[in-house]
Amino acid sequence: QAGLTQSPSVSTGLRQTATLICTGDSNNVGNEGVAWLQQHQGHPPKLLSYRNNNRPSGVSERFSASRSGNTASLTITGLQPEDEADYYCSAWDSSLRAWVFGGGTKLTVL
Amino acid sequence: EVQLVESGGGLVQPGGSLRLSCAASGFTISNSWMHWVRQGPGKGLVWVSHIKGDDSATFYADSVKGRFTISRDNAKNTLSLQMNSLRVEDTALYFCVKESVGAFDIWGQGTMVTVSS
Repeated sequence: QAGLTQSPSVSTGLRQTATLICTGDSNNVGNEGVAWLQQHQGHPPKLLSYRNNNRPSGVSERFSASRSGNTASLTITGLQPEDEADYYCSAWDSSLRAWVFGGGTKLTVL
Repeated sequence: EVQLVESGGGLVQPGGSLRLSCAASGFTISNSWMHWVRQGPGKGLVWVSHIKGDDSATFYADSVKGRFTISRDNAKNTLSLQMNSLRVEDTALYFCVKESVGAFDIWGQGTMVTVSS
């Protein structure tokens, strides 16, 4: 089953802004809600954003998500050392009738 | 507190079977959408299967269709994944996940499955 496309890695400076991109098609990102997850090494993923731009309670306002057409993005402002992690996007694919993930982006905070 | 605890992982030979369990607490799985998601060593997340909360319809990734079966025991508030005809490529950390707001909301710590001769 095809997945969503993410850049393998992004590096940005401390206190700077990072934008992570997730690309799909009209059967998933373009039509269904996109969610973003954060995973630190050795830990299960944590939901950061759902239905394109909604933040669960307890998630920092530094994390914001958006979607335009078949592309979704996660923006992290004021980067902190603890933001260094793997980030995944996910969506339901109405054509495949399956959930799909991006390959993940490893964010490095310099 | 909502919590998911997986168990049942281990080492199994190719072609063998294994049954994973996920004990839920803090909520009722009978009306919840529940998933299994796996992550191979050093790899990304891969959705495996889910069971709907309303009509118990089940869905599977193509890679496991016909080999894995998801089910739930409402009396025990437990989700299960029966895995048959296991392959080396099924080696992964298997997470039990509760879906909320149309996303993978609550995750367990995972249980490791290793398929090797």
